[in-house]
Amino acid sequence: TQLLEQSPQFLSIQEGENLTVYCNSSSVFSSLQWYRQEPGEGPVLLVTVVTGGEVKKLKRLTFQFGDARKDSSLHITAAQPGDTGLYLCAGRSNYQLIWGAGTKLIIKP
Amino acid sequence: DSGVTQTPKHLITATGQRVTLRCSPRSGDLSVYWYQQSLDQGLQFLIQYYNGEERAKGNILERFSAQQFPDLHSELNLSSLELGDSALYFCASSDSGRALNEQFFGPGTRLTVL
Repeated sequence: TQLLEQSPQFLSIQEGENLTVYCNSSSVFSSLQWYRQEPGEGPVLLVTVVTGGEVKKLKRLTFQFGDARKDSSLHITAAQPGDTGLYLCAGRSNYQLIWGAGTKLIIKP
Repeated sequence: DSGVTQTPKHLITATGQRVTLRCSPRSGDLSVYWYQQSLDQGLQFLIQYYNGEERAKGNILERFSAQQFPDLHSELNLSSLELGDSALYFCASSDSGRALNEQFFGPGTRLTVL
């Protein structure tokens, strides 16, 4: 069974701080996606990483896919209250996405 | 607005009952995915349909079933409901059968079983 473990499960920090959340597996994925979900809404795709070692930037968010394509990280610089939400990673396996349990992020003003 | 619609938004029912959740995908999307999300948990993949045919099955209970109709809308049927079935149920759509493609999520149906 393929599993994706996300850490930390919960993170509460002050506005302006930096943070990193992780998505780890013992399995190799051909690609990995990061989604953000706000309360009461469905997840929204932030990025897809495909190549081992790939780094993608989305404004203050930096996503990295591990060289072995087993893990990924999301780094947020100078976090803002608008970054608050549940961050989910999902790895592709055949026709399915294997989902992590998410990191609940709260940015306090 | 993702373009995916789900009805109803909220549903309250009793144990042992049966309910039907409905999803209309984005215009042109052939794939529909159903997910269950319990309180503060990640997404549990239930089932995927592509152009009317079942494509993949996840952790879907035998009490649950789904189908995709010729107009591509989908319904998720939940029967013999238990308290533990209370959750958010999301539908997502994509334009192909490949999970790699971006999935667009609907606003969800919050099911409460009393």
